[in-house]
Amino acid sequence: AQRVTQPEKLLSVFKGAPVELKCNYSYSGSPELFWYVQYSRQRLQLLLRHISRESIKGFTADLNKGETSFHLKKPFAQEEDSAMYYCALNSGGSNYKLTFGKGTLLTVNP
Amino acid sequence: NAGVTQTPKFQVLKTGQSMTLQCAQDMNHEYMSWYRQDPGMGLRLIHYSVGAGITDQGEVPNGYNVSRSTTEDFPLRLLSAAPSQTSVYFCASSRAGLNYGYTFGSGTRLTVV
Repeated sequence: AQRVTQPEKLLSVFKGAPVELKCNYSYSGSPELFWYVQYSRQRLQLLLRHISRESIKGFTADLNKGETSFHLKKPFAQEEDSAMYYCALNSGGSNYKLTFGKGTLLTVNP
Repeated sequence: NAGVTQTPKFQVLKTGQSMTLQCAQDMNHEYMSWYRQDPGMGLRLIHYSVGAGITDQGEVPNGYNVSRSTTEDFPLRLLSAAPSQTSVYFCASSRAGLNYGYTFGSGTRLTVV
């Protein structure tokens, strides 16, 4: 079965510090991975897709197939980055079922 | 474009009552899904659809029913509400294709008493 693990429920950093949100996955096929973000009282938004290798709001994520990881990183955290972050795996092939991790609540302190 | 619209935003039900959560999207997306979000559990897939007339079960389908008669609409029916169904429900849609992300609705907060 496909599984997404986010080992940290809570992560607290100071403004300007680097931040890394961990995501590990279990999947027998070729993974398609995403990061979603949910700011307070807002809907979930797509942040990153591994296929596009893009940087959004200063965040990047690299797929490491050897370590089955897709960690989200930002070199200098900002207070507005405080949010719930979810890692997600497309586990249904062409049927496109997203399996989510349990999320990490990031708090960036001033 | 309105995106993904969910109604109602809030609902309180008594145990045993039935109701339908509405979801509509105006982006002509083929894929639609329903998730429930619970503290410490993340988002869990209830049902999903890859096109009109096609639905399938997700991780936690018991107690819920769906249908997809049009591309735009994907209602979620609670057959007989139970307190365990107290949750925040999110509808999402996506274009067909392996790497498009989902667009989410704003959610329905349901309380079953």
